Amino acid sequence: DGGITQSPKYLFRKEGQNVTLSCEQNLNHDAMYWYRQDPGQGLRLIYYSQIVNDFQKGDIAEGYSVSREKKESFPLTVTSAQKNPTAFYLCASSIVGRAGETQYFGPGTRLLVL
Amino acid sequence: SQQGEEDPQALSIQEGENATMNCSYKTSINNLQWYRQNSGRGLVHLILIRSNEREKHSGRLRVTLDTSKKSSSLLITASRAADTASYFCATALRGGYQKVTFGTGTKLQVIP
Repeated sequence: DGGITQSPKYLFRKEGQNVTLSCEQNLNHDAMYWYRQDPGQGLRLIYYSQIVNDFQKGDIAEGYSVSREKKESFPLTVTSAQKNPTAFYLCASSIVGRAGETQYFGPGTRLLVL
Repeated sequence: SQQGEEDPQALSIQEGENATMNCSYKTSINNLQWYRQNSGRGLVHLILIRSNEREKHSGRLRVTLDTSKKSSSLLITASRAADTASYFCATALRGGYQKVTFGTGTKLQVIP
C-alpha cells in the first residue's frame, strides 16, 4: 500500500525543546516538501528537497531544519528558535521537482505547545 | 502575498446543487491544480490544468482556466454531503523549478 506517512499525529512541545516530525514515503518520489498550515490560511512552504542530500529553504524556513539522507525520508525539526510553532504540519512528495508536479500529501502532524 | 486567492472564502449549499469556487492569481503560470482537504487531514489532488488548456473534466468536477484574466474556477456538479471540505488552488510559475503556491482555500459545506 503506497503512500506517505507522518508521525506522530499529535506532538506536544515544551518551551525551549526541539522536536522532530517524521515523514516517510514509499512512492519512489524524488521530491519532498514540508508545509505549515495555520487556521484559515493556506499552506506555506517550509523546506523542500528535490534529491537526496539536497534541500532548499521555502518561504518560512526560520526556526526549522531538515535532512534528506534517504530518498524515502524527510524529517523536519522544529527548533526552539521557532517562537510560534503551534500549527498543522503537512509533508508531501512528487515524482520530480519540476514546476507544478502533482503532490501527494501525508495525513499531517498537529504540533501544540505546552 | 498569496499567488492564488480563492473566492468565496466559505460556501454553503444544499445537497444536489452545484458549487462553484474561483481562484485568481497574479503572475503567469505553468499550470494550476485544485486540491481538497477534509477537516484535519492531508490534501488530496483533484485535477491539474495546464496553461495551454481552457477546460478540463473529471467526473463531477469541471475546471476552467482563463489566462487572460488570470483566473480559474472549479465547478462541482450535483454536490454530495461527502464533498464537504476545503478546496485549494495551487499555482506553479513558469520557468525552471518553481514551488507550488497554495491559496487560502474555499470552505464548502454541503447540507444533506
